[in-house]
Amino acid sequence: SQTIHQWPATLVQPVGSPLSLECTVEGTSNPNLYWYRQAAGRGLQLLFYSVGIGQISSEVPQNLSASRPQDRQFILSSKKLLLSDSGFYLCAWCRGGNQPQHFGDGTRLSIL
Amino acid sequence: DQQVKQNSPSLSVQEGRISILNCDYTNSMFDYFLWYKKYPAEGPTFLISISSIKDKNEDGRFTVFLNKSAKHLSLHIVPSQPGDSAVYFCAASAQGTYKYIFGTGTRLKVLA
Repeated sequence: SQTIHQWPATLVQPVGSPLSLECTVEGTSNPNLYWYRQAAGRGLQLLFYSVGIGQISSEVPQNLSASRPQDRQFILSSKKLLLSDSGFYLCAWCRGGNQPQHFGDGTRLSIL
Repeated sequence: DQQVKQNSPSLSVQEGRISILNCDYTNSMFDYFLWYKKYPAEGPTFLISISSIKDKNEDGRFTVFLNKSAKHLSLHIVPSQPGDSAVYFCAASAQGTYKYIFGTGTRLKVLA
């Protein structure tokens, strides 16, 4: 069966510090991978998605970036965090078009 | 531009009664629709989906109805149980885009 791992579960970072959140998927190959953010009281905002190694599509211009160094690894990064980057970050995978996405447990990021 | 809308931020239902959650969309290219359930501090869990070639899909207590002409879908939960209390998100995707657009969610509270 397929599983998705996302870490850390919680993170507190100062403004201006860097960020690296990691997500890995097991039990499948060549998944589509996604990063979402849920701000307090808001819906799920798609940040990045990838349909293959090294391929990244960005949905929202911001100071975050994503990379996919391996088939089942998806990384969300920032060089300098802003207060507005606080939120609940979710990684998801799916097999392809018209297939349900499956989510990790999320990372609660607080910027101080 | 909110392409997927859930206009009711919250809903309260008595245990044993029917819960009806609604979702509207604007993009006529959407051809695959999903419902997710989310508990606090967890990732969303896939519940049920429907393709645009159908108007109804049923799985146990959960039924999704799709009205393409009205660009509207709904999730029916019968009978509602206290464990169903969560935030419910609808999502939509268009063939070939690899993207899933989420609504802002409806918080369901099932009263015992």
